[in-house]
Formats: sequence, structure tokens, C-alpha cells
Amino acid sequence: DVKVTQSSRYLVKRTGEKVFLECVQDMDHENMFWYRQDPGLGLRLIYFSYDVKMKEKGDIPEGYSVSREKKERFSLILESASTNQTSMYLCASSQPRRGSYNSPLHFGNGTRLTVT
Amino acid sequence: AQSVAQPEDQVNVAEGNPLTVKCTYSVSGNPYLFWYVQYPNRGLQFLLKYITGDNLVKGSYGFEAEFNKSQTSFHLKKPSALVSDSALYFCAVCPHNTDKLIFGTGTRLQVFP
Repeated sequence: DVKVTQSSRYLVKRTGEKVFLECVQDMDHENMFWYRQDPGLGLRLIYFSYDVKMKEKGDIPEGYSVSREKKERFSLILESASTNQTSMYLCASSQPRRGSYNSPLHFGNGTRLTVT
Repeated sequence: AQSVAQPEDQVNVAEGNPLTVKCTYSVSGNPYLFWYVQYPNRGLQFLLKYITGDNLVKGSYGFEAEFNKSQTSFHLKKPSALVSDSALYFCAVCPHNTDKLIFGTGTRLQVFP
């Protein structure tokens, strides 16, 4: 089974701090995604990556950046955390690009970030 | 704009009764359609998908979904609900020839004993 591991289950940070959310997958997937989940809004795509050192903006990239230095690892960075970034963050991966448009996403268990 | 709608925030059903969780979409072309389930304190898990072919798709845990092109719907169904089916369900659409999923806002299913 594919395993997507998010390094922290819960995080509490202060406004203005730089925050790193880490995600590692063990199935050699080329595609990786970061979503945030908020009640009543569902999942919204922040950034995604099709390959190492490659990234593309999703629907809500403002205030975030990402890093993909190795295939298995995709990091989400909050350069200066703000209270409106308090949310559940979900990482996901999927099969290589050729089949990715109909391949299921495999999700991590999420990181619940609170910014005070 | 491309979108997915789950019109019910919550669905309540008695154990043993059939259940339906509704989903409609507004996407150009022929999309790929998915259902995911999220149990408490967990990430989303894939349930089933429609790519092409039979309109009735069978998935995990006894769930199935019916694709209706004319109504642009993809409702999730199960003939006999279990208490353990209680969870948050998300419908998602992948427009043809893209790699990005568009998620609905989710429907909380509560199955009562």
C-alpha cells in the first residue's frame, strides 16, 4: 500500500513565524499535491508538483511556497504565518503524469495547524 | 467556472436502510469522477471512480455510484448502511486532459443504530 506520511499531526505557531510542513511518500509517485481543508469549503489546492524541482500554483497559492528537492518529499512553506492560515493541511500523491488524470490520490493523515 | 456541488451538508440514515449522497458537477467535456471518504482524524481515502463505460460504478466497502450525463450527477449509494459508514464524503471531478481534481465541499453521513 502507498504510504504518505506527514511529519506533524498537530502544530501551533505564532503569527509571523516561518512554518515548514513536510510530506514523504514511499511509492515513487511523480505527482504530489498540497491541499488545505476548511469546513464548508472542502479541499482547495495550494500547490502541486509533477517532478523534482518542478512546481505549479494551485487555486490558493498566496502566502505559501513549496520545495521538491527529492522525488519522495514535498514541503509546504508558510513564509510568515498568519491566523487565516489556521487549517488542516493535506498532502497527496498519485501515479506518474501519463495516468495521473484518472489515478486516485493517496492522502496523508493531515497536519492541523493553528496560528495564534 | 468548473465546479462540484454537494447540496447536503449532512445526511442522516438508519442502519440497514439505503443511503444516497448527492453530487452534481459543472465541467466542460467528459470529466473523470471520484468519491473519497474521510474518517475522523484521517486523510481522504479513495472509494471509487468513473472514467467511461457502465454508468454504475462499484467501489470499496459496498459503495457504488451512478453517473448520469444528462443530469450531470454522480450520486453515491449503498443498499444497506452501516454505523461504521459514518464519515465525511467528498465528490471530486477531474476535467478531461487535466491533472487537477476539483473537490466538493463534503457531506457528513451519520448512520444511526
